[in-house]
Amino acid sequence: QKEVEQNSGPLSVPEGAIASLNCTYSDRGSQSFFWYRQYSGKSPELIMFIYSNGDKEDGRFTAQLNKASQYVSLLIRDSQPSDSATYLCAVRPAGGANNLFFGTGTRLTVIP
Amino acid sequence: GAGVSQSPSNKVTEKGKDVELRCDPISGHTALYWYRQSLGQGLEFLIYFQGNSAPDKSGLPSDRFSAERTGGSVSTLTIQRTQQEDSAVYLCASSRQGTDTQYFGPGTRLTVL
Repeated sequence: QKEVEQNSGPLSVPEGAIASLNCTYSDRGSQSFFWYRQYSGKSPELIMFIYSNGDKEDGRFTAQLNKASQYVSLLIRDSQPSDSATYLCAVRPAGGANNLFFGTGTRLTVIP
Repeated sequence: GAGVSQSPSNKVTEKGKDVELRCDPISGHTALYWYRQSLGQGLEFLIYFQGNSAPDKSGLPSDRFSAERTGGSVSTLTIQRTQQEDSAVYLCASSRQGTDTQYFGPGTRLTVL
């Protein structure tokens, strides 16, 4: 079982719609969760991080964390064509690990 | 300030040759990470440096891979006797001490022929 799993997509949504990206993780003790956006041919850039159960909002982006279900999601409201990218979920596992475990990413296409 | 920089941006080499990839982290960031990303794959952790502590090498795939960080700043990832399966984008990231947030450089695309 992979540490972090994401649906690879592609996920297509029309412009203005809500895009919902999902991620599950295997280490129940994980404490830190991150969403990165990666445009084709570019390096990942951090969008949001979340540590506590519940929702965290930043502009059009909302991260949701449910530790009991080992599930983290990213909602993008009012999706724009410029949001088209691959979204990577990353988790810092418990036990003092220094690195992040990344999912393989979900490719999102926002259709004008 | 300036972000993480990496060089070269692209490297094409022949199987069996050695390569060196360089990373210059954000000024003041004490933690430095190397990852690689193969086509269609997630990021794979390779090695982690934190200040003057011994590096965490747990992600290095073989003894052909090594890395060093001089003066707590610039890092070099060396791959000896390259193989075709080493072809990937090698990404470097840095973070401030006490934080989880990692900032990535533009990566080095390595192609082993």
